[in-house]
Amino acid sequence: EVQLVESGGGLVQPGGSLRLSCAASGFTFSNYAMSWVRQAPGQGLEWVSGISDSGTGTYYADSVKGRFTISRDISKNTLYLQMNSLRAEDTAVYYCARVISDSSALPGDYWGQGTLVTVSS
Amino acid sequence: QPVVTQPTSLSASPGASARISCTLRSGINLDNYRIYWYQQKPGSLPRYLLRYKSDSDTQQGSGVPSRFSGSKDASTNAGLLLISGLQSEDEADYYCAIWYSSTVLFGRGTKLTVL
Repeated sequence: EVQLVESGGGLVQPGGSLRLSCAASGFTFSNYAMSWVRQAPGQGLEWVSGISDSGTGTYYADSVKGRFTISRDISKNTLYLQMNSLRAEDTAVYYCARVISDSSALPGDYWGQGTLVTVSS
Repeated sequence: QPVVTQPTSLSASPGASARISCTLRSGINLDNYRIYWYQQKPGSLPRYLLRYKSDSDTQQGSGVPSRFSGSKDASTNAGLLLISGLQSEDEADYYCAIWYSSTVLFGRGTKLTVL
């Protein structure tokens, strides 16, 4: 059974940092690209970042470029999102998702339950 | 003007068909893009429904009923999500997305009401 479990969310002050993790199981992690998608309270979906299966390709939304860094540890079957210089508008539930196998970063059938990040003083 | 535009809301009757549009900004060639569709019910995770570029390049998400299908309307430069035989359980928010300049762009979502 495919499972994606996020952790690392919480309350952080503006300008602060957080690192999200997504533990993957039930599939060969190194064979799939992965993405982070967020959803602010009561709002729509916003893609944040994606990473290729090998980790050599990384992609970012303009809204987080230069502040967030996506990475993966194949040995630990874990996806990460390092978030720096956080702003109030980064407040959202962050989902990790396995990407459809079609050379995009579009999320497919498997999503984690999400972790809430709140940026507030 | 956003790259991807969806209607804010749509309503239809049970048993009828619904057509949700995903319009690409003028100047963006619809033929070149796969349109991805997602469903999200209140309090639930997003669900991948399908991907459509053409009749020969389409993919249904796992377990997604054939009542959900994709299409395109070249006259309006829009991708379409077609839902036939509407059921009350289809009431949800629907999002389209494209892979554009190495980023994923979601539409702002369409709230479908079945009444």
